[in-house]
Amino acid sequence: GENVEQHPSTLSVQEGDSAVIKCTYSDSASNYFPWYKQELGKRPQLIIDIRSNVGEKKDQRIAVTLNKTAKHFSLHITETQPEDSAVYFCAASKGGSYIPTFGRGTSLIVHP
Amino acid sequence: DAGVTQSPTHLIKTRGQQVTLRCSPKSGHDTVSWYQQALGQGPQFIFQYYEEEERQRGNFPDRFSGHQFPNYSSELNVNALLLGDSALYLCASSTTGDEKLFFGSGTQLSVL
Repeated sequence: GENVEQHPSTLSVQEGDSAVIKCTYSDSASNYFPWYKQELGKRPQLIIDIRSNVGEKKDQRIAVTLNKTAKHFSLHITETQPEDSAVYFCAASKGGSYIPTFGRGTSLIVHP
Repeated sequence: DAGVTQSPTHLIKTRGQQVTLRCSPKSGHDTVSWYQQALGQGPQFIFQYYEEEERQRGNFPDRFSGHQFPNYSSELNVNALLLGDSALYLCASSTTGDEKLFFGSGTQLSVL
């Protein structure tokens, strides 16, 4: 089955800095890569996703890049703010499955 | 739109007992997936229900079972509880053919 590795497990930055979280996946058939944000005590929420026919996608301060050859994808957050502090999960799924496999999460801490 | 709702929010059980968790999907969604999230880990897929049938199952023992009702709501049952079953149980709903998952706030299960 699919295996998703996520790094780092913890990321501490100063407000205004950029943050990058990286994930790798094992199944070359995977073609959908969502990112979820989970604030403390709250539900995971989809913040951005990318499909395998696209190399990069941006939404305001967040962006995701995908390298299918290397089987890795990354989340980039620019101009970080304290409210960006949360656990971020990457995931991967393949067409027809609609069952994403999640990484173990990255705890992002943004210091004011 | 109330989104995905789960009940109860917290539950304390003892080893060997049985538990039933409930989920109502987001309006317009017909597919319900259940995930187990241990502390500090990513969500692990338990199973998915569509048209009142279990469509896919993750690597969980038969002690974990479920049901989906005609109104698309779902139940997760766990028999013979073990200490290791202590976790946050998340329900996620989606529509057929769409990978986007919408999560509930979860049920925090503690097994003593």
